Amino acid sequence: RKEVEQDPGPFNVPEGATVAFNCTYSNSASQSFFWYRQDCRKEPKLLMSVYSSGNEDGRFTAQLNRASQYISLLIRDSKLSDSATYLCVVNRHSGGYQKVTFGTGTKLQVIP
Amino acid sequence: NAGVTQTPKFRILKIGQSMTLQCAQDMNHNYMYWYRQDPGMGLKLIYYSVGAGITDKGEVPNGYNVSRSTTEDFPLRLELAAPSQTSVYFCASSLAGGLDEQFFGPGTRLTVL
Repeated sequence: RKEVEQDPGPFNVPEGATVAFNCTYSNSASQSFFWYRQDCRKEPKLLMSVYSSGNEDGRFTAQLNRASQYISLLIRDSKLSDSATYLCVVNRHSGGYQKVTFGTGTKLQVIP
Repeated sequence: NAGVTQTPKFRILKIGQSMTLQCAQDMNHNYMYWYRQDPGMGLKLIYYSVGAGITDKGEVPNGYNVSRSTTEDFPLRLELAAPSQTSVYFCASSLAGGLDEQFFGPGTRLTVL
């Protein structure tokens, strides 16, 4: 089983729709979680960190479910500019350092 | 601040050639990383460094070498390039390792023919 798994999509949604992605992780010792956004042929950029209590930034809400070992990203009122690939990132201690694992990403296409 | 810079942006190599991908950051970050991203795939960690003089292997280190003589610079060396090394290479840095945001450079697109 992969350490971090995401549905590759694509998720094709109309403008204004609400869309949610999940990302599952296999190692219960995972400590910190992030969502990154990657536009086509560009570098990843941090979208938001994921806290145990959940966090919201405008139209974006991230949540962590440790019991079921997944994180989620909810996007409300989708905009055309939200079209991108969303990468989840999971970190844990391994052999004295922080092991960073990126998911393969979920592609979102917002259509007019 | 320029953030994380990478050179070159593009490069075509012949099989067996060698090259160095340059990466520099001006944020005084201790942690630096090299990733490769193949089409439709996630980022795979090649090497990382927790500070000047300290480097360690990531998930896919074979065929690559790194050095970290200064806090700012983290070059990646490809020896004897192979077609399997055709990829996009991203360098990143962070202040507090995996607990912190990683800042990425714009990437180097490498083709080995």
